[in-house]
Amino acid sequence: SQELEQSPQSLIVQEGKNLTINCTSSKTLYGLYWYKQKYGEGLIFLMMLQKGGEEKSHEKITAKLDEKKQQSSLHITASQPSHAGIYLCGAPGGANSKLTFGKGITLSVRP
Amino acid sequence: NAGVMQNPRHLVRRRGQEARLRCSPMKGHSHVYWYRQLPEEGLKFMVYLQKENIIDESGMPKERFSAEFPKEGPSILRIQQVVRGDSAAYFCASSIGQDYGYTFGSGTRLTVV
Repeated sequence: SQELEQSPQSLIVQEGKNLTINCTSSKTLYGLYWYKQKYGEGLIFLMMLQKGGEEKSHEKITAKLDEKKQQSSLHITASQPSHAGIYLCGAPGGANSKLTFGKGITLSVRP
Repeated sequence: NAGVMQNPRHLVRRRGQEARLRCSPMKGHSHVYWYRQLPEEGLKFMVYLQKENIIDESGMPKERFSAEFPKEGPSILRIQQVVRGDSAAYFCASSIGQDYGYTFGSGTRLTVV
């Protein structure tokens, strides 16, 4: 079965700093979703990547999927307190497009 | 265009009671997925349904848990005789079809006392 490992487990950065978090799969990825979750709330869709080498950006967040399609990174430029939360990567695996998720990365941004 | 609606947001049940969690998918979405998020764990797939059909229930516990998505009305996740270990956040996601991405609801937080 597919497993997704996210690193680091948690991260504290000063406001304004850049940061990168990673999601590594035990198998080739056929798609990779990034979600953000505020504590105690639902998941907010950020981006979906499908092709090796693909890169997408939205506001100050950029996500990439490597050429081998086994690792994705999420980069935040000039972090703000509003970026704080739990970042989850999810990948469809096997039939029916059900998602396997990593355990998430908790990001804190200090003002 | 409302998103995926889950209710209740919070549910408290005593051990042995039944819990019913509801999920209304986005308009036009006929695929519904249920996930469970246990404390300190990631989201785990439970069940995938289309209208009136269970497509994949490989993540559902063998006993006490059931799900349905009737022709009319919301999808229901039902937990009978709840135990403390059932305390978790339960999320529903809907999609227009496979490979079209998912929209998640805000979840139902079940607490068993």
